[in-house]
Amino acid sequence: SQQGEEDPQALSIQEGENATMNCSYKTSINNLQWYRQNSGRGLVHLILIRSNEREKHSGRLRVTLDTSKKSSSLLITASRAADTASYFCATTPNRDDKIIFGKGTRLHILP
Amino acid sequence: EAQVTQNPRYLITVTGKKLTVTCSQNMNHEYMSWYRQDPGLGLRQIYYSMNVEVTDKGDVPEGYKVSRKEKRNFPLILESPSPNQTSLYFCASSFSPPSAPNEQETQYFGPGTRLLVL
Repeated sequence: SQQGEEDPQALSIQEGENATMNCSYKTSINNLQWYRQNSGRGLVHLILIRSNEREKHSGRLRVTLDTSKKSSSLLITASRAADTASYFCATTPNRDDKIIFGKGTRLHILP
Repeated sequence: EAQVTQNPRYLITVTGKKLTVTCSQNMNHEYMSWYRQDPGLGLRQIYYSMNVEVTDKGDVPEGYKVSRKEKRNFPLILESPSPNQTSLYFCASSFSPPSAPNEQETQYFGPGTRLLVL
């Protein structure tokens, strides 16, 4: 399987704390994206980072990419109850137009 | 409103009875894709299409067919469904292919189709 892996599989934190999720993948990539899914609904795109980038920010989101380790992390700062969802990374291998999703991290924000 | 629509949203069928799940987008997107989502396995790409009459296999194409006769539509066909195709299916579309993504717009996902094959 070419699937990536998110770590941890599940994460519970207090509202206001920061949440960090990690993603590892297997092949060299063109870009990596993070998505959010609320309870069985369609995925929502959060942020894209290209293979020649090391860090991206978008609001309370910070994404890093380490291509030498084939890994990425998603940091959500100052978490809110509305951040409760599953988070997936997705990669596009070089010279390909497939999209390969990881298995996801379930994030639960405690009030 | 920009959206990806799927029909039906829920479907119960029996083994071997051909079915089609429709997907339509109103954003003039070129790239369209089908995924299945299973517990513990995340999303897996079934087929994708770069444009009209151009389709390619994803990671799990066995047992599925697709067609792209019009830009807006990308139906998923199960010629002879089996119980292991019971899953949650998502259609998605984007203007640019994933190898050359537009940063502000990647994939838009449909609401999903829950399929149960008995």
